Amino acid sequence: SQQGEEDPQALSIQEGENATMNCSYKTSINNLQWYRQNSGRGLVHLILIRSNEREKHSGRLRVTLDTSKKSSSLLITASRAADTASYFCATAYQAGTALIFGKGTTLSVSS
Amino acid sequence: GAVVSQHPSRVICKSGTSVKIECRSLDFQATTMFWYRQFPKQSLMLMATSNEGSKATYEQGVEKDKFLINHASLTLSTLTVTSAHPEDSSFYICSASRDQETQYFGPGTRLLVL
Repeated sequence: SQQGEEDPQALSIQEGENATMNCSYKTSINNLQWYRQNSGRGLVHLILIRSNEREKHSGRLRVTLDTSKKSSSLLITASRAADTASYFCATAYQAGTALIFGKGTTLSVSS
Repeated sequence: GAVVSQHPSRVICKSGTSVKIECRSLDFQATTMFWYRQFPKQSLMLMATSNEGSKATYEQGVEKDKFLINHASLTLSTLTVTSAHPEDSSFYICSASRDQETQYFGPGTRLLVL
């Protein structure tokens, strides 16, 4: 079953702008992960944030987690055309359990 | 990083035939692997959890007799789509967890049933 929702469903921006995607989930979690998927391809793991963490950075990525609101956000700063892809959040109820994916945000970055 | 492979990457078959998809963890052992399915322009949906040496656990609505899962070793899980039909056409992706946190996904198998 689908765990959460993401918004926006689609986002179009210019190169150099920041992109923010939000994810909400329904049940308690052990961790939340963000993945990128280029059209028709496999998933690329971006970042994992644990339930006891509030913010995490990795390069141009910044992820926040608010467990009280059951929500997370992914910020991509100084976006590039190569960032064009679909982005999914996924939650794990317990460590090592299957991931439940959100519906995803399709990001289009134009140069 | 950990590598998970899938074979074949794409397959086209006739309706009524069976198709086997392999998922291998190349540099680590995985007691548990997961199988997902993704229809066009949709998200990934968990199909089943594959446990080494025991029966797979299927999600609600997934027919276990149609999607046979075998996890015979710590590095290999197979998904067999039996008597495939056009509605089974999809992108099938497996994943494995090495450290109980990050899951590593295979590159996916695109199945087209004519």
